[in-house]
Amino acid sequence: EVQLVESGGTLVQPGGSLRLSCAASGFTFTSYDMNWVRQAPGKGLEWVSYISNSGDTIYYADSVKGRFTTSRDSARSTLYLQMNSLRVEDTAVYYCARRLGVGNWGQGTLVTVSS
Amino acid sequence: EIVLTQSPATLSLSPGERATLSCRASRSVSSYLAWYQQKPGQAPRLLIYDASNRATGIPARFSGSGSGTDFTLTISSLEPEDFAIYYCQQRSNWPPFTFGPGTKVDIK
Repeated sequence: EVQLVESGGTLVQPGGSLRLSCAASGFTFTSYDMNWVRQAPGKGLEWVSYISNSGDTIYYADSVKGRFTTSRDSARSTLYLQMNSLRVEDTAVYYCARRLGVGNWGQGTLVTVSS
Repeated sequence: EIVLTQSPATLSLSPGERATLSCRASRSVSSYLAWYQQKPGQAPRLLIYDASNRATGIPARFSGSGSGTDFTLTISSLEPEDFAIYYCQQRSNWPPFTFGPGTKVDIK
């Protein structure tokens, strides 16, 4: 069974940093591209970042470019999102998704940016 | 960037009725369009991928159609558990991947 389990979400002050993780199981992690998608409270879905199966190609939404970094560890079958210079508007549930538009999503982890 | 528009914003129906949801793209996305269902406090659940293919475990009352710029999600007979928000998403021209604003299906 495919499972994606996000973790690392918490309350952080504006300007702070946080690293989210997404532990994958039930499939060959190195065969699939992965994405991060977020949803602010009461709002719609916003794509955040894409990483290819090899990790060679990475894209970011303009809203996070230069502040967020996506990476993956094939040995641990884990996807990461390093979030720096956090803003109040980054407050959201962050989901990881396998092959966006075709595959599975995790249950999400809540990041709250507030003083 | 491809912009997706969904209509109506809210659809008020009774159990057993047919629901027809629309998603329109600002330019062609071929058939690379997905539909998701989201209930409060839950992650989005993939219903339909590539316009008309039901995802694993999705009941046959959900169907998708369309290509190019105009797409439809149909729920043939609403069950109580179908009242939720539905989003469309394109993977034709990216980055960025884009989502529609959602259609809320609520109980009349």
